[in-house]
Amino acid sequence: KQEVTQIPAALSVPEGENLVLNCSFTDSAIYNLQWFRQDPGKGLTSLLLIQSSQREQTSGRLNASLDKSSGRSTLYIAASQPGDSATYLCAVRGLDSNYQLIWGAGTKLIIKP
Amino acid sequence: NAGVTQTPKFQVLKTGQSMTLQCAQDMNHNSMYWYRQDPGMGLRLIYYSASEGTTDKGEVPNGYNVSRLNKREFSLRLESAAPSQTSVYFCASSADWADTQYFGPGTRLTVL
Repeated sequence: KQEVTQIPAALSVPEGENLVLNCSFTDSAIYNLQWFRQDPGKGLTSLLLIQSSQREQTSGRLNASLDKSSGRSTLYIAASQPGDSATYLCAVRGLDSNYQLIWGAGTKLIIKP
Repeated sequence: NAGVTQTPKFQVLKTGQSMTLQCAQDMNHNSMYWYRQDPGMGLRLIYYSASEGTTDKGEVPNGYNVSRLNKREFSLRLESAAPSQTSVYFCASSADWADTQYFGPGTRLTVL
């Protein structure tokens, strides 16, 4: 059964730093992997989607990488800003999970001004 | 363009009461989903509808029913609410089953 883990559960860094959020999964047979952002009391917003054949995707200051063989993905945020404060979740779409998304519990990111 | 809308935003029920959560999307998406989110856990899929006219169970379907009323609307019904169903419920939609999912703002449900 696919399991998705995000460590750490919370992270606090000063504004302007580059940072990396981690996502690991137990079954490398995936269709794609997605990163989402969730602001308090609100829904989720999709940030990046990486297909299993891809190594990385970029959008503005965000870069997501995928290493299927090691079961890992990272979300790199460059030049962090207070507005980046949110919970970041990754979700894996496995080949053996009826194509459903399996979610990590998220990393709560706080950017200190 | 409203995206995905959900009603109500908040609801308090007593054990045994029933209610229906409503969800609508205006993006002409084929697939729709209902999730629940509990503290410290990832989202868990309750039911999904890959296309209009079809519904399937997700990871945690017990105690829930769904209706894909038309292409736009996908409702979630709790027939006899239990305290274990206290959670935040999210509706989502995607163009197709493997595409990016777009989420509504959520319904915070408390069952006493």
